[in-house]
Amino acid sequence: GAVVSQHPSWVICKSGTSVKIECRSLDFQATTMFWYRQFPKQSLMLMATSNEGSKATYEQGVEKDKFLINHASLTLSTLTVTSAHPEDSSFYICSAISGAGGQYEQYFGPGTRLTVT
Amino acid sequence: QKEVEQDPGPLSVPEGAIVSLNCTYSNSAFQYFMWYRQYSRKGPELLMYTYSSGNKEDGRFTAQVDKSSKYISLFIRDSQPSDSATYLCAMTGAGSYQLTFGKGTKLSVIP
Repeated sequence: GAVVSQHPSWVICKSGTSVKIECRSLDFQATTMFWYRQFPKQSLMLMATSNEGSKATYEQGVEKDKFLINHASLTLSTLTVTSAHPEDSSFYICSAISGAGGQYEQYFGPGTRLTVT
Repeated sequence: QKEVEQDPGPLSVPEGAIVSLNCTYSNSAFQYFMWYRQYSRKGPELLMYTYSSGNKEDGRFTAQVDKSSKYISLFIRDSQPSDSATYLCAMTGAGSYQLTFGKGTKLSVIP
């Protein structure tokens, strides 16, 4: 199956700093990528939808100026958490779909655990 | 009422048991139903998908969808310790790529 990678897998940062998380589709071109956040024992919550070459679409309640998304190529999307605070500590997961796949063929990355101290 | 309800468990069963996992939903527009498996601190892995109502079988896994009751199930036969994970149901409507997930049920299969 298609492979999606994320980097880093785990990051610790100080409050007030910014953190960038990368999501790459390794063996296919991703027309659309999604960013999710998952708190412990909670479901995946969609944060934003990212289409290559266009601005991301954010879900209600997600601050677009705080969570900057850049989908610069068909294989790379980045999420930057700006001025991170402890409440931003969470598990961030990206997923990607290719234009050729069915709508159920959404491939997930391994996730990035962010801890803000 | 949340769009998708899923009992978080935890569910503990002996090896070889039949496992039944379920979700209910409220949005009648959902037409595609998926089950994902998520190991600790890993991303979800697609197990099965079903379109509309009906059953689908893949090895030891069977997915069922009853749209009239807004109820979906995943059955695992001959459960193995390697099946121990969190199982998430997810669903979406026609023409949409956005998935709505349940909270996930944590399953432990005891040897």
